[in-house]
Amino acid sequence: GQNIDQPTEMTATEGAIVQINCTYQTSGFNGLFWYQQHAGEAPTFLSYNVLDGLEEKGRFSSFLSRSKGYSYLLLKELQMKDSASYLCAVKDSNYQLIWGAGTKLIIKP
Amino acid sequence: EADIYQTPRYLVIGTGKKITLECSQTMGHDKMYWYQQDPGMELHLIHYSYGVNSTEKGDLSSESTVSRIRTEHFPLTLESARPSHTSQYLCASSPLAGEAETQYFGPGTRLLVL
Repeated sequence: GQNIDQPTEMTATEGAIVQINCTYQTSGFNGLFWYQQHAGEAPTFLSYNVLDGLEEKGRFSSFLSRSKGYSYLLLKELQMKDSASYLCAVKDSNYQLIWGAGTKLIIKP
Repeated sequence: EADIYQTPRYLVIGTGKKITLECSQTMGHDKMYWYQQDPGMELHLIHYSYGVNSTEKGDLSSESTVSRIRTEHFPLTLESARPSHTSQYLCASSPLAGEAETQYFGPGTRLLVL
C-alpha cells in the first residue's frame, strides 16, 4: 500500500528552527508537496520538490531524497503565526496526491 | 493568489436530506477535486475532474456524485445525508500542466448531519 509518515505533533520556541520530517512509500513518484493548514482553514501551498536537494523560499526550506523516500520542511526564525499543521503529500505514478495526516506544530513564546 | 470559492461555509442538516455543496474557481484551471477531511486526519479524495464533462472517482466516492458542465463549476451532491457524512469538505483546483499541477484550495464546507 501507499503510506506517508509524519510526526503527529512537534513543539518549538519562537525564534528557533524546527525540522519536520516526512517519509513516504508510494507507487511511483512525481513530486512532493508541503502545505500549511491553520486550524479550521484550508491548506495553502508552501513548496514543491521533484529533484533531490534543497529548495529555499524565505524562512521555509524543503529537502528531498528520492533514494531514501524522505523529505523535510525546515522553518527558521519561528513566529507565533507559524503554529499550524504541516501536510506532506506525494504525487504517485497516477499523478494522484497521497496525503500524510500532517504534523501539528506548536510554537511557544 | 488563488480564487476558489465554496458555499455554504457551514451546513447543519437532517439525516436523509439531499444536499449539494458548491465550488467555483476563476483561475481557468482544468483540474478540480473534492476532498473530505476529519480533524487531525489526512485528506481523502472523493472525486476529481480533468475538465468539462470529465469526472473520476476517488477513494470515498460511493455515496456522492459530481458534475462538470462548466470549467469553473464543480458541485458535489450527497443524495441522502447520514451522520457519517459529518466532516469538512474541501474543493481544490489545479492547472492541467505546469506549476507542478499545484492544487489550490477553497475555504471548505463544514457539514453536520444530525
